[in-house]
Amino acid sequence: EPEVTQTPSHQVTQMGQEVILRCVPISNHLYFYWYRQILGQKVEFLVSFYNNEISEKSEIFDDQFSVERPDGSNFTLKIRSTKLEDSAMYFCASSGRGQGADEQFFGPGTRLTVL
Amino acid sequence: SQKIEQNSEALNIQEGKTATLTCNYTNYSPAYLQWYRQDPGRGPVFLLLIRENEKEKRKERLKVTFDTTLKQSLFHITASQPADSATYLCAPGTGGFKTIFGAGTRLFVKA
Repeated sequence: EPEVTQTPSHQVTQMGQEVILRCVPISNHLYFYWYRQILGQKVEFLVSFYNNEISEKSEIFDDQFSVERPDGSNFTLKIRSTKLEDSAMYFCASSGRGQGADEQFFGPGTRLTVL
Repeated sequence: SQKIEQNSEALNIQEGKTATLTCNYTNYSPAYLQWYRQDPGRGPVFLLLIRENEKEKRKERLKVTFDTTLKQSLFHITASQPADSATYLCAPGTGGFKTIFGAGTRLFVKA
């Protein structure tokens, strides 16, 4: 069964450093998403991406964040200068049709720890 | 502002009973509502989607209702099993590319 994969599973970084989180969505999906979940809190939408551009983003997704689909398979989230409060689990998801009314498939997540 | 409320208290039930979880929303009119399951340390897994013109939807032991007048969805698991223990998230949606999740309700099913 196809699945979304994410690397690394755990990333530890120093405050102020740049990190890139990587995702490989399901191969025939067209819509891609990033979410984050701070420990003990709810899953929060960050950004959606379609046709090589951002479709929608939340207030959390400020200038420190960027997304890219550098090739036909990877989808990345970059945090330019990490802060302590960026420590969270980051989930990538993909869907076929998008527009919300569609099942999203989530990856296993990357746990980001900022020291 | 848009608000989604799910029971923050955990729900504890005995194996074999029906679990009922509630999702209430305010200040918007979703065209559909999704339910996901999340296990600790894992990503959410899609379970069911119900649209505003559907009163009820079923999938195996799962049943979802959607009452747009009460602004509420109920999620039922019949003949619950310990393996159903997880956090259940609702996500009312209006379309577009942004999915907003409720905080979830933790369900514990005791053998």
